[in-house]
Amino acid sequence: DAGVTQSPTHLIKTRGQQVTLRCSPKSGHDTVSWYQQALGQGPQFIFQYYEEEERQRGNFPDRFSGHQFPNYSSELNVNALLLGDSALYLCASSTGLATGELFFGEGSRLTVL
Amino acid sequence: AQSVTQLDSQVPVFEEAPVELRCNYSSSVSVYLFWYVQYPNQGLQLLLKYLSGSTLVKGINGFEAEFNKSQTSFHLRKPSVHISDTAEYFCAVSVYAGGTSYGKLTFGQGTILTVHP
Repeated sequence: DAGVTQSPTHLIKTRGQQVTLRCSPKSGHDTVSWYQQALGQGPQFIFQYYEEEERQRGNFPDRFSGHQFPNYSSELNVNALLLGDSALYLCASSTGLATGELFFGEGSRLTVL
Repeated sequence: AQSVTQLDSQVPVFEEAPVELRCNYSSSVSVYLFWYVQYPNQGLQLLLKYLSGSTLVKGINGFEAEFNKSQTSFHLRKPSVHISDTAEYFCAVSVYAGGTSYGKLTFGQGTILTVHP
């Protein structure tokens, strides 16, 4: 049973560019959440997708956007990259109305130069 | 809004010694509580969770945690650690209403546990 898979694992961008990160949830899961983990910090909630709609959003600017596809996979897009966007981006999946237990992927490490 | 404070940023300990990683939370509504572990260059793995019932919960790899509502704490313990327990540990809370949490977690800053031989 495949767990949560994310791609790419590492990428380097320059300021002002745009990036797309991808996530496939664990089999049987229909909800995808995205978190940003800066170096030395705990993960910060970006947003969550359920039934192809954004259900909740954290305190992140509109430069951060996402999408969920009918097969429950998801993308995170970040526009106009800033140096401060450098972080590990974690995708987590769960069932729609679960107790909050999340299954995490190994993350996509983004470096902005 | 809720918040999580992990009281120790780093905890060094010798192999086979006991360890406690401390976590306090703040929330005006009921919460579910979690501990996750992160090994280098990996994602987060759930160690244990408190949803309801007994305040002492047992997780994987011999870890346990006790929920103390009056002190708003959820400390993680292990009676005897191994070298392989070296990792970063995160405490997290999830607010719920009507039994539904929706899976939005608020994490602490993390505690790096280093087990020395």
